[in-house]
Amino acid sequence: ETGVTQTPRHLVMGMTNKKSLKCEQHLGHNAMYWYKQSAKKPLELMFVYNFKEQTENNSVPSRFSPECPNSSHLFLHLHTLQPEDSALYLCASSHGIADTDTQYFGPGTRLTVL
Amino acid sequence: EDQVTQSPEALRLQEGESSSLNCSYTVSGLRGLFWYRQDPGKGPEFLFTLYSAGEEKEKERLKATLTKKESFLHITAPKPEDSATYLCAVQAISGGYQKVTFGTGTKLQVIP
Repeated sequence: ETGVTQTPRHLVMGMTNKKSLKCEQHLGHNAMYWYKQSAKKPLELMFVYNFKEQTENNSVPSRFSPECPNSSHLFLHLHTLQPEDSALYLCASSHGIADTDTQYFGPGTRLTVL
Repeated sequence: EDQVTQSPEALRLQEGESSSLNCSYTVSGLRGLFWYRQDPGKGPEFLFTLYSAGEEKEKERLKATLTKKESFLHITAPKPEDSATYLCAVQAISGGYQKVTFGTGTKLQVIP
């Protein structure tokens, strides 16, 4: 596997379910990100991890809980979601969080909350 | 607050009909401007990074340019496989950390 991979690619869940999204990067990067992409809206940065430490949380509701066990893996744990949380969730990685680092994206998980 | 505005929202071109996409931005301390291509149901694919006004980069039929207020993505003689949404993003430093702000994209359709 190369690049950034995400599983599952599609997820349908009820509002009372608990599920997790997984991201893995094979680029040797140290920083990883979660973004939300909704129709007609710009990508919204949710969380940033650098060397496994969370460096940013953009006022994301607590029903989204990130976990970064190492620099290659990133999880997004979901519970008690709302229908408006339906979106494409994208994971990205970069060498670091310096001002010259390009982010590379995974294919995304299409989430539907019923 | 950093802002990125892309225009047009959608663009339909005949194959071979050259055009340009615009990305205008307002940001404090621009560190870089990125162009990505996104196909339906997929993540954004990195195309270019531009760092300073006057810089240009090319890749096949695409050429990106940067001024102090905007960037253009020029598409020369496009082909149907160039159909995608093109995203622009600006990178700045906020509180010591990288902050990336995306535009809403331009959806390009190239008709054979």
